[in-house]
Amino acid sequence: QKEVEQDPGPLSVPEGAIVSLNCTYSNSAFQYFMWYRQYSRKGPELLMYTYSSGNKEDGRFTAQVDKSSKYISLFIRDSQPSDSATYLCAMSRSGGYQKVTFGTGTKLQVIP
Amino acid sequence: DTGVSQDPRHKITKRGQNVTFRCDPISEHNRLYWYRQTLGQGPEFLTYFQNEAQLEKSRLLSDRFSAERPKGSFSTLEIQRTEQGDSAMYLCASSLGLAGEETQYFGPGTRLLVL
Repeated sequence: QKEVEQDPGPLSVPEGAIVSLNCTYSNSAFQYFMWYRQYSRKGPELLMYTYSSGNKEDGRFTAQVDKSSKYISLFIRDSQPSDSATYLCAMSRSGGYQKVTFGTGTKLQVIP
Repeated sequence: DTGVSQDPRHKITKRGQNVTFRCDPISEHNRLYWYRQTLGQGPEFLTYFQNEAQLEKSRLLSDRFSAERPKGSFSTLEIQRTEQGDSAMYLCASSLGLAGEETQYFGPGTRLLVL
């Protein structure tokens, strides 16, 4: 069993829809949770960074972390065609340097 | 551009040849990471540097792989006697290395194809 599980999709939604992306994890030592966006043939770009449980909002993006359920989510409101990309959840342990463990990524397509 | 840069962006080589990739981190970042990403998978950790010291290596990093970061600035990743299974995107990331500032910023990657 992988430490981080993520549905690879693909997920297709119409423009303007609310998108929900999720990951589950098994290692309770994870304290830092991130979402990266990766366009085709590019490096990952950090979208959201959250420590421990709770919600964080940034523009159209909201990240949620539920450590009791070992479940994290990313919501995208008013989705745009430019949001079409692969979304990677990532997490790491607390303290010192952080080796980041990634999910496999969910490929999202927003259809105009 | 003040982000992480990698060179080359693409490399095609024949099996058995040696290849070397370069990563230039964000200038004030003292931590540098290498990851490997295959199609349909998330990046997998390979190795990590704190300044010039290589502090951790993944089991994925076989004896054919070597990484250096002389003077704590740029880093190189060398693969000797390449195999077709080495075909992947090799990503470099850097972070500031201060408490609360551990966000890793990624470069564009080097895509390796071994024929």
